[in-house]
Amino acid sequence: DVKVTQSSRYLVKRTGEKVFLECVQDMDHENMFWYRQDPGLGLRLIYFSYDVKMKEKGDIPEGYSVSREKKERFSLILESASTNQTSMYLCASSAGTSGQETQYFGPGTRLLVL
Amino acid sequence: AQSVAQPEDQVNVAEGNPLTVKCTYSVSGNPYLFWYVQYPNRGLQFLLKYITGDNLVKGSYGFEAEFNKSQTSFHLKKPSALVSDSALYFCAVRDRGTYKYIFGTGTRLKVLA
Repeated sequence: DVKVTQSSRYLVKRTGEKVFLECVQDMDHENMFWYRQDPGLGLRLIYFSYDVKMKEKGDIPEGYSVSREKKERFSLILESASTNQTSMYLCASSAGTSGQETQYFGPGTRLLVL
Repeated sequence: AQSVAQPEDQVNVAEGNPLTVKCTYSVSGNPYLFWYVQYPNRGLQFLLKYITGDNLVKGSYGFEAEFNKSQTSFHLKKPSALVSDSALYFCAVRDRGTYKYIFGTGTRLKVLA
């Protein structure tokens, strides 16, 4: 069965802390994505990766960075957490490059920055 | 720029009645369109997608969606709603030429017993 896991379901951090969110997929997918979900705004793409060590900025990359050292793992890093980064973070993966691929989502990490 | 619009923040429907959740899109070329559902405190789950061919696409849990090219719409439908269908529904379009998927803002479906 397809599986995308995220390291934490809930996380509470303080302003200025460096925060790591981890995502692992077991489907050998080439593509991985990080979104944030906010009420009324839907899902917004932060970063995506189409191969190991490859990454591209999404629509809202400011304040975030990513790392993909292995195919199955995609990490989102908040360099210095701020209160406006309080959100639900969703990781997803997909196979191939045709554009027809379904995305598979993890359960999400709800991050609160105090 | 490619975009997706879900004009209704919330849709209420009585159990057993048909339901429709609306989605319109703006893309260049032929679109790849998707519907996902999100249950409380969960990630998104795939429901169905339109790639090409028959305009009526059938998906999981009895849902279907109709692709209408002239109206640039991809509305989600179900003939008979269940209380368990209550969830947040997202329409998405693949941004061709990139790896990006563009999501709508979501529609909360509430099915009343």
